[in-house]
Amino acid sequence: NAGVTQTPKFQVLKTGQSMTLQCAQDMNHNSMYWYRQDPGMGLRLIYYSASEGTTDKGEVPNGYNVSRLNKREFSLRLESAAPSQTSVYFCASTWTAMNTEAFFGQGTRLTVV
Amino acid sequence: QKEVEQNSGPLSVPEGAIASLNCTYSDRGSQSFFWYRQYSGKSPELIMFIYSNGDKEDGRFTAQLNKASQYVSLLIRDSQPSDSATYLCAVSGGGADGLTFGKGTHLIIQP
Repeated sequence: NAGVTQTPKFQVLKTGQSMTLQCAQDMNHNSMYWYRQDPGMGLRLIYYSASEGTTDKGEVPNGYNVSRLNKREFSLRLESAAPSQTSVYFCASTWTAMNTEAFFGQGTRLTVV
Repeated sequence: QKEVEQNSGPLSVPEGAIASLNCTYSDRGSQSFFWYRQYSGKSPELIMFIYSNGDKEDGRFTAQLNKASQYVSLLIRDSQPSDSATYLCAVSGGGADGLTFGKGTHLIIQP
């Protein structure tokens, strides 16, 4: 049982390049989330999908887009990467959006130069 | 804006002692409370969750919740060097946006 799987684990982009971070969960969870983690800033919510077919902005959505491809997969896209998007990105999933624990992927360390 | 506050540390505790980690939250309607442990370069992993006022024990870990004071704590008994990590407090208000995280407390267990 893999849990939450993110790809890639590491990525270096040049400013202005685009890329998509992939996330898949095999726990039949309904809700999925993308967070970024920066030193001293904790985990900040970028976008979330409370259920299949819905997506909503979190605390820091600017510069990102998401797609809930199906119940298992939730991707995060950077259309034009900026150095300020250098961060560690975590995908997480929960059984429902209400009051349940989150399970995290292993993270993607992204550097934008 | 929901806020979760933690002392960033580092909190240094001798091996075998009790480590006490604290967290306060701003949203009085918060319903569920979680403690995650994160080793350097790794993803957060769930240690404890608590929903009701009082104490909840699991092995060496005890979570304490006081909703009136909007305060959550995590006690680690018989601290081990392997407990050295950053501990994240997370709170859920029951909304669709899931958990709000504190910035974490860096705990160091000194052998």
